[in-house]
Amino acid sequence: QVTLRESGPALVKPTQTLTLTCTFSGFSLTTTAMCVSWVRQPPGKALEWLALIDRDDDKYYNTSLKTRLTISKDTSRNQVVLKMTNMDPVDTATYFCARASKDGYNSYMDVWGKGTTVTVSS
Amino acid sequence: SYELTQPPSVSVSPGQTATIPCSGDKLGDRYACWYQQKPGQSPLLVMYRDTKRPSGIPERFSGSNSGNTATLTISGTQALDEADYYCQAWDGSTVEFGGGTKLTVL
Repeated sequence: QVTLRESGPALVKPTQTLTLTCTFSGFSLTTTAMCVSWVRQPPGKALEWLALIDRDDDKYYNTSLKTRLTISKDTSRNQVVLKMTNMDPVDTATYFCARASKDGYNSYMDVWGKGTTVTVSS
Repeated sequence: SYELTQPPSVSVSPGQTATIPCSGDKLGDRYACWYQQKPGQSPLLVMYRDTKRPSGIPERFSGSNSGNTATLTISGTQALDEADYYCQAWDGSTVEFGGGTKLTVL
């Protein structure tokens, strides 16, 4: 059974750096085409993709946010970490991690975590 | 950056067919997938590689993708299909989501 669980602070102050951890089980990031993505969703708004990391440690970022994002993985611990710098109240959202598959022009997220809600406020 | 456009809302009567379009420049040249999201829940993959249903997704869900438009079709729509639906594509370096379509079954 594939599961993913997001963890991190529920509240961060403006200008701080957010660090979120995705802990997964039931699959390995060493498998062909396997990746992990981070997606966020502000209250009442649409999904927004943030970043993806693949088994070769290649990293892909949302163009608009890439200067603020860093994604990394610890394969031995089955964890993917997302850091977002200079947090602002507009970054208040539920943050999801998801198992993703990537192959040529095909990529999709087939298993999602429950999400973690992050509020940015002083 | 690549953009995907969806209508904000679609309404359908129970038992009828719902079609949700997703448009993007030459979208047919890449694969589209679709997610269903109900209030308070995580997104659920309902279609990938344009036309493939994940295990457990009912046969009434189907997909197509050609030209500039991908379409999610729900045949015999049921009340439990009421949800937000998002299309998504990958351009080789970034993931893009559509803005989402609220499907109302009434």
